[in-house]
Amino acid sequence: DTGVSQDPRHKITKRGQNVTFRCDPISEHNRLYWYRQTLGQGPEFLTYFQNEAQLEKSRLLSDRFSAERPKGSFSTLEIQRTEQGDSAMYLCASSSQGYNEQFFGPGTRLTVL
Amino acid sequence: AQKITQTQPGMFVQEKEAVTLDCTYDTSDQSYGLFWYKQPSSGEMIFLIYQGSYDEQNATEGRYSLNFQKARKSANLVISASQLGDSAMYFCAMREGWGTTGGGADGLTFGKGTHLIIQP
Repeated sequence: DTGVSQDPRHKITKRGQNVTFRCDPISEHNRLYWYRQTLGQGPEFLTYFQNEAQLEKSRLLSDRFSAERPKGSFSTLEIQRTEQGDSAMYLCASSSQGYNEQFFGPGTRLTVL
Repeated sequence: AQKITQTQPGMFVQEKEAVTLDCTYDTSDQSYGLFWYKQPSSGEMIFLIYQGSYDEQNATEGRYSLNFQKARKSANLVISASQLGDSAMYFCAMREGWGTTGGGADGLTFGKGTHLIIQP
């Protein structure tokens, strides 16, 4: 399977703990996006990478959130000092320059107790 | 103001009928792109169709077509001959700042979605 993969698929954590999610984009895609989706809502854009450069960050991305894509391949999203309001599905997508479609991964569902 | 408005929270449609899902958008950019995604109960987001703001003709992809009315700022999705497998959440989304040249750089803004249920 050469689609976008995300790990883990589910994460349960206690309030105040740090969590890290990983996204592996489609191999030839140089653009990578993170979104967050809460129940009953559409996805909300968090941040975007072109190769290893983080080119855009939403105001939703508070200082507790940090994302990296060190070698322009996989990306990690870390949430520090998790809060119950961080409970959501975190979606990763990738695309290739010159193409419109963003391919989404299966998501990581985070539950903060 | 919301950038993407989907006014139909839920719809019930008989199998084999055509379906129109409404989407209106708000942007001051001249170049933008409009997307529709399907999200089945399994959770994955599936790309359906794209329309660039400078595209003269409505986009079509198999049973999906996008009814693009630029002056009204609407981008309705039409599904012809609906099937049971079409039951899912459908999201309209917009990328501001580019059009038919593609290669958009930034994230999408999504609407709240329409839950479509196809009945046998």
